[in-house]
Amino acid sequence: KQEVTQIPAALSVPEGENLVLNCSFTDSAIYNLQWFRQDPGKGLTSLLLIQSSQREQTSGRLNASLDKSSGRSTLYIAASQPGDSATYLCAPRGGTTDSWGKLQFGAGTQVVVTP
Amino acid sequence: DGGITQSPKYLFRKEGQNVTLSCEQNLNHDAMYWYRQDPGQGLRLIYYSQIVNDFQKGDIAEGYSVSREKKESFPLTVTSAQKNPTAFYLCASNGPGTRGKGGELFFGEGSRLTVL
Repeated sequence: KQEVTQIPAALSVPEGENLVLNCSFTDSAIYNLQWFRQDPGKGLTSLLLIQSSQREQTSGRLNASLDKSSGRSTLYIAASQPGDSATYLCAPRGGTTDSWGKLQFGAGTQVVVTP
Repeated sequence: DGGITQSPKYLFRKEGQNVTLSCEQNLNHDAMYWYRQDPGQGLRLIYYSQIVNDFQKGDIAEGYSVSREKKESFPLTVTSAQKNPTAFYLCASNGPGTRGKGGELFFGEGSRLTVL
């Protein structure tokens, strides 16, 4: 079964600093990997989707890299803002017949950006 | 606007009662999912459906039931057999995933169930 670990569990930075969030997974046979943001009491908002054939994906201040062979993905957030405060979750999607369609979620990294 | 609508947002249940959480999507997605989220834990998959009239158990299906009679709707019933139902429930859907693109998962705003 896919195991997903996100490090660190919590992170506090002053505004303007760059954020680096790590995600590791045990089964490299993935179809894609998705990064989400969750605000307290809310649903998940999709940030970036990286296909298994891609090495990275960018959207504005966000950049996500994927090293499938080593089971790692990293989310970079440039020039952090207080509005970036949220919990960030990664979820690789299974690529085998048995695991198809199932996303396995990490517990998330809780980020606080102080003004 | 296209999206996923979950209702109710908050629900209180007495022990021994069944409750049904609604999930409706207008994204024309085939696949729909139900997840449960507990404090400090990642999301856990309850049930999923890849097509109308078909669904599969996820990792924690015991005490739950679903139906998929319409493409747009995937209601979840929390039965009295679920021993610890207090949690935040999230519904999601995604379109077809073709090689190299697609498969992005979208979520509703969630339903918080509290057992009194």
